[in-house]
Amino acid sequence: GENVEQHPSTLSVQEGDSAVIKCTYSDSASNYFPWYKQELGKRPQLIIDIRSNVGEKKDQRIAVTLNKTAKHFSLHITETQPEDSAVYFCAVLANQAGTALIFGKGTTLSVSS
Amino acid sequence: DAGVIQSPRHEVTEMGQEVTLRCKPISGHDYLFWYRQTMMRGLELLIYFNNNVPIDDSGMPEDRFSAKMPNASFSTLKIQPSEPRDSAVYFCASSSGRQPQHFGDGTRLSIL
Repeated sequence: GENVEQHPSTLSVQEGDSAVIKCTYSDSASNYFPWYKQELGKRPQLIIDIRSNVGEKKDQRIAVTLNKTAKHFSLHITETQPEDSAVYFCAVLANQAGTALIFGKGTTLSVSS
Repeated sequence: DAGVIQSPRHEVTEMGQEVTLRCKPISGHDYLFWYRQTMMRGLELLIYFNNNVPIDDSGMPEDRFSAKMPNASFSTLKIQPSEPRDSAVYFCASSSGRQPQHFGDGTRLSIL
């Protein structure tokens, strides 16, 4: 089945710096790649997603890039702010037939001011 | 939009007791997912339904776990008998077709 690896597990940056989180997957047929943000004690919330027909998608300070050949995708956060501190999860579809997601183990991002 | 509603938000019970977690998906969503989150194993998919029918329950850890979806607006996840290692946050999520999943606020379960 599909497998997702996420790195790094923790990331500490200064306010205003950029943060990059990377995920690799195993099934070359995967075609949907969402990113979720989970604040402490709260539910995961979708922040951005990308489908395999594009290589990059941006939404204000966040962007996701996809390299299908290498089977990896990355989350980029620019001009980080303390409120960006959270756990970020990448995910891919478990199989082509359905909509179930397999999640990476998460990256704890800490932004210090 | 009320979002995905889960109950209870917190549950503390003794080992061996039956635990029932409840979920109301977003109206109109035809997929419902149950996840378990722990520090060690992260977010794990337990089971998911499409149009009230279980599609994949391969993530259900043991026969002590069961899930039902009697109608489009309600699902339960039951653990009987419960064990301390079942302590986790259980999330329910729903989606419409291949649209993004929306998560509920979760149930924090502690088995003593």
